[in-house]
Amino acid sequence: EPEVTQTPSHQVTQMGQEVILRCVPISNHLYFYWYRQILGQKVEFLVSFYNNEISEKSEIFDDQFSVERPDGSNFTLKIRSTKLEDSAMYFCASSDYTDTQYFGPGTRLTVL
Amino acid sequence: DQQVKQNSPSLSVQEGRISILNCDYTNSMFDYFLWYKKYPAEGPTFLISISSIKDKNEDGRFTVFLNKSAKHLSLHIVPSQPGDSAVYFCAASELTGANNLFFGTGTRLTVIP
Repeated sequence: EPEVTQTPSHQVTQMGQEVILRCVPISNHLYFYWYRQILGQKVEFLVSFYNNEISEKSEIFDDQFSVERPDGSNFTLKIRSTKLEDSAMYFCASSDYTDTQYFGPGTRLTVL
Repeated sequence: DQQVKQNSPSLSVQEGRISILNCDYTNSMFDYFLWYKKYPAEGPTFLISISSIKDKNEDGRFTVFLNKSAKHLSLHIVPSQPGDSAVYFCAASELTGANNLFFGTGTRLTVIP
């Protein structure tokens, strides 16, 4: 069964460093998303991406964040200068026209 | 932001009995609702969905009920199995294209053998 994959599973970084989180969405899906879950809190929407551009973004997704689909399979989230409060699980999701989003296993980001 | 609420943080049920998980929402523009199951250190796994034109959707042991006037949905699992033990999230979206999901805080279901 097709699934969303994410790498790395765990990323540890120093505050102020740049990180890139990678995702491979399900191959025939058209819509791509990033969500995050801070420990003990709910899953929160960050950004959606369709047709090579951002469709919608939340207040969390400020200028420190960017997304890219560099080739036909990968979808990346870059955090330019990480802060302590960026520590969270980051989930990638994808969907086709049916509106059901399928999630990857997540990347745990720890900012020290 | 409390647009989707799950007021029960935990629920324990005997194996074989019915599990009922509840979810309330405040945004009347939501028209698509989903339930996800999540194990620790894994991503949410899609279980079942319902659009606002329906009031019930069934898939095997899982049934979702939607009461639009009350802005309430529920997930019924019958019969409950120990493997169902996980955190269950309800999520909602407006079908406006981007469809970003608003999640509840989750309910931890424990099915006791």
